[in-house]
Amino acid sequence: GAGVSQSPSNKVTEKGKDVELRCDPISGHTALYWYRQSLGQGLEFLIYFQGNSAPDKSGLPSDRFSAERTGGSVSTLTIQRTQQEDSAVYLCASSFLQFEQYFGPGTRLTVT
Amino acid sequence: GENVEQHPSTLSVQEGDSAVIKCTYSDSASNYFPWYKQELGKRPQLIIDIRSNVGEKKDQRIAVTLNKTAKHFSLHITETQPEDSAVYFCAVLNTGGFKTIFGAGTRLFVKA
Repeated sequence: GAGVSQSPSNKVTEKGKDVELRCDPISGHTALYWYRQSLGQGLEFLIYFQGNSAPDKSGLPSDRFSAERTGGSVSTLTIQRTQQEDSAVYLCASSFLQFEQYFGPGTRLTVT
Repeated sequence: GENVEQHPSTLSVQEGDSAVIKCTYSDSASNYFPWYKQELGKRPQLIIDIRSNVGEKKDQRIAVTLNKTAKHFSLHITETQPEDSAVYFCAVLNTGGFKTIFGAGTRLFVKA
């Protein structure tokens, strides 16, 4: 079946612009996660959704970051007024309950 | 909050030797411990996981051991092969929620 998909695969934006990153999880997966991975670094937890609810937003780096999930499916991560330090690969993952997380291919964001 | 430390950051072994990567965590309520492998330019993939009611789990050349008292768990790869070369991440999850904290990663090089 189809895995986790993300779009766009690459995004180059100017400093100060807003960007939206999209994640389509595996059908039926109840949980959805967003991570950020800087070049050669580990995975920084940003937020997770259980259904459409995000009980813990403490991982979001600043109030410029927000995320939503609708219909228990697609999720969007929005970064407002992008800064150069936002440049990274943004990975989405989904899982059925708390089991194995399946990752998407990521969106490489470059802020110039 | 939860803190996960992973060692070593880099590990180089000869083909056929064993490799061991260790992670320590701080939250005693953590009860799910997966390991992910990330090959260069690819997405992380689960290779093995263990729950807190089990002390050891094996899957062919890969094993994970857990010491809940000492709050550490380790990944063991035996008879290493060049295709084992990758970055390995441990993670910790409190299944009362979904927040997943990853270690910083270990870059494993297997020399032929």
